Amino acid sequence: QVQLQQWGAGLLKPSETLSLTCDVYGGSFSNYYLHWIRQPPGKRLEWIGEIHQFGDTKYNPSLKTRVTISADTSKNQFSLRLRSVTAADTAVYYCFLFYCDGGCHGHWGQGALVTVSS
Amino acid sequence: EIVLTQSPGTLSLSPGEGATLSCRASQSVGRNYVAWFQQKPGQPPRLLIHGASSRATGIPDRFRGSGSGTDFTLTISRLEPEDFAVYHCQQYGDSHFTFGQGTKLEIK
Repeated sequence: QVQLQQWGAGLLKPSETLSLTCDVYGGSFSNYYLHWIRQPPGKRLEWIGEIHQFGDTKYNPSLKTRVTISADTSKNQFSLRLRSVTAADTAVYYCFLFYCDGGCHGHWGQGALVTVSS
Repeated sequence: EIVLTQSPGTLSLSPGEGATLSCRASQSVGRNYVAWFQQKPGQPPRLLIHGASSRATGIPDRFRGSGSGTDFTLTISRLEPEDFAVYHCQQYGDSHFTFGQGTKLEIK
């Protein structure tokens, strides 16, 4: 059973860097995409970006200049960094793993509330 | 950026009834790459449908996705009590993935 466990700082000041990690347990899979998605309070889900198994990344153009998604495949660990945060970055952040192996699967982290406040 | 508009905003139905949720895109979605997610309060979303009409592993067959181009539909037949939740559509046919604003399915 694949499980995703997220962790990282939940309270930041403006201009700081958001740093979250997503550990993936319990399965082996290939040709996967690991996404980061956020949900600001009362707003729609927003896609932040993705990293493919082979390291290719793709980012939301509105966040591209501030965001980095990386992976340590030896540890099945994925990271999100978002620089120069403002109050507008306050949201619940999720990691989401998508892969197909006959059927297609989507697994989510539990979510992490990140609040940006002075 | 492809803007997705979901309708209705809220749908009030009774268990046992059928539900039809709509997702309209501001331009054609490449390869009909549309996904549907279910989200309950305090929980992450759950993937239901990918590629407009393919159910994710473990999703009951009362959930059906359809559509192409700019118009996509999620149909839920024979609503169960656990189906009452918020439903989000997402397009991933463009290099910038986007979500709809959600449809809340509530018990009448």
